[in-house]
Amino acid sequence: EVQLVESGGGLVQPGGSLRLSCAASGFTFSSYWMHWVRQAPGKGLVWVSRINSDASSTGYADSVKGRFTISRDNAKNTLFLQMNSLRAEDTAVYYCAREISGAKDYWGQGTLVTVSS
Amino acid sequence: QSALTQPPSASGSPGQSVTISCTGTSSDVGGYKYVSWYQQHPGKAPKLMIYEVSKGPSGVPDRFSGSKSGNTASLTVSGLQAEDEADYYCSSYAGSNNFVFGTGTKVTVL
Repeated sequence: EVQLVESGGGLVQPGGSLRLSCAASGFTFSSYWMHWVRQAPGKGLVWVSRINSDASSTGYADSVKGRFTISRDNAKNTLFLQMNSLRAEDTAVYYCAREISGAKDYWGQGTLVTVSS
Repeated sequence: QSALTQPPSASGSPGQSVTISCTGTSSDVGGYKYVSWYQQHPGKAPKLMIYEVSKGPSGVPDRFSGSKSGNTASLTVSGLQAEDEADYYCSSYAGSNNFVFGTGTKVTVL
């Protein structure tokens, strides 16, 4: 059974940093491109970032470019999102998701990041 | 990276059909086959319903269908059921390793 489990969310002050993790199981993690998607409270889904299977290619939404870094450890079946210079508008539930053919077919349960003083 | 445009709401009675539109540009929806649709119930993670414009993942009822014409994609839910009441989001590849989601549509089963 495919499982994605996010962790690392919490309360952080504006300007602070946080590192999210996504532990994958039930599939060959190293064969799949992976995504981070976020959803602010009561708002819609927003794509954040994508990484290819061997970490040689990444993409970012304009709103996080230069502040967030996506990475992965295929030996540990884990996806990461390093978030720096956090702003109030980064407050959201962050989901990791697996990609097939440009779509996200499996999603984690999400981890809440709250940026507030 | 502007969000794709969806109607805020749509509704139908049980057994009826509802169609949700998703309008983008030639740089996203109109330019690629990588359009997908997601269903999200309150407090839950999104669920993939359609990928590559019109393909249904295993386990998704064939009451859900997708299509595209030009810069607009559509999701049709036929034979509406109570459990179809949810938020629906479209998404498209937008080139250069970028993706974009739609604004979301709340579907109500009357």
